[in-house]
Amino acid sequence: EAQVTQNPRYLITVTGKKLTVTCSQNMNHEYMSWYRQDPGLGLRQIYYSMNVEVTDKGDVPEGYKVSRKEKRNFPLILESPSPNQTSLYFCASSFLLSAEAFFGQGTRLTVV
Amino acid sequence: KNEVEQSPQNLTAQEGEFITINCSYSVGISALHWLQQHPGGGIVSLFMLSSGKKKHGRLIATINIQEKHSSLHITASHPRDSAVYICAVTAGAGSYQLTFGKGTKLSVIP
Repeated sequence: EAQVTQNPRYLITVTGKKLTVTCSQNMNHEYMSWYRQDPGLGLRQIYYSMNVEVTDKGDVPEGYKVSRKEKRNFPLILESPSPNQTSLYFCASSFLLSAEAFFGQGTRLTVV
Repeated sequence: KNEVEQSPQNLTAQEGEFITINCSYSVGISALHWLQQHPGGGIVSLFMLSSGKKKHGRLIATINIQEKHSSLHITASHPRDSAVYICAVTAGAGSYQLTFGKGTKLSVIP
């Protein structure tokens, strides 16, 4: 089954404790991206990757890091999380940017 | 940067009604996406359009490139259509960013 898998689904952490949210796709897609969703602001792009070892900033990259060492995986790293990073996060992939996007189930992160 | 506006923000309909959700954008695009987000939070892609019209079951999506406008229509609406519908655009050649509208919350009452 074609899918994008994010883990964990829910996470509560403390300020400053490094964390990683994993994202994996099984469709051999080249394009992967991370978004955060906040009430009143909608979805905003954090980082995206056009292929292995090729990443770039989206609209709200501050406080986040990504890596794309393998085509299927695109982890999101918060080196020192802060409460303003409390949000619902989505990973997505597509064959091309202008192609149907497949979204992960979402990760609800709370930073206290 | 592209600005994406959706209307209405909230919509309540009776079961069976014909529904239209609108999306306007400010800059030329290479593709427009319609997404559905159910109360549980998951996001599903409904359509990807670069021109014309697409139909899937009771859902129809149209786009007018000259007017920078797209519509999502739901015929014979049903309570299970209750969700947030989100429009997103990718800018023209050379852009790899996706810009989203704030969404339209649809509630269909039996």
